[in-house]
Amino acid sequence: DTGVSQDPRHKITKRGQNVTFRCDPISEHNRLYWYRQTLGQGPEFLTYFQNEAQLEKSRLLSDRFSAERPKGSFSTLEIQRTEQGDSAMYLCASSFGTSDYEQYFGPGTRLTVT
Amino acid sequence: GENVEQHPSTLSVQEGDSAVIKCTYSDSASNYFPWYKQELGKRPQLIIDIRSNVGEKKDQRIAVTLNKTAKHFSLHITETQPEDSAVYFCAAAGYTGGFKTIFGAGTRLFVKA
Repeated sequence: DTGVSQDPRHKITKRGQNVTFRCDPISEHNRLYWYRQTLGQGPEFLTYFQNEAQLEKSRLLSDRFSAERPKGSFSTLEIQRTEQGDSAMYLCASSFGTSDYEQYFGPGTRLTVT
Repeated sequence: GENVEQHPSTLSVQEGDSAVIKCTYSDSASNYFPWYKQELGKRPQLIIDIRSNVGEKKDQRIAVTLNKTAKHFSLHITETQPEDSAVYFCAAAGYTGGFKTIFGAGTRLFVKA
């Protein structure tokens, strides 16, 4: 499968625990995006990388959220001290170049905080 | 802050009829407007997009129009089929140091056979 992959697909955690998600973009894609989607809503922008540089981060993102893309390939999204309001689908997307804006989405990681 | 409003939230049409979904955006720096289709339990997939230097784009039964002055853009689906039933999201994006993409809340389209 040469598409965007995410791991794990599902995560159940207790409130207060830390969780980390991984995204592997399409191999030649230099842009990577993280979104959060709750039921009945559109994807909500969290952050964006161009290669290894994190160029934009949503003001909605609290300090408990952090993302990395250390070698410009895969990315991780960590949520510290999870809260029930963090329960959502976390989507990763990637795109290529400066002229092709199409974002290809991964299958998502569904987080449930109990 | 940036915002994209999408209407209607739900749309029900008879097979063969047309469906129109409308969006407005607030950030005048937006220059790229994609539309995504998301079926239940699946990832969003791009169906058509338009850039700010174009007023209209068509791909078979799907067309998108853009009015930059009014900050409006619309999706038109003609000759709807039951397999068009899904949630459709509009989005607005622009290069402002990054490539932030703001999505609308979605339109659930039902096509009745």
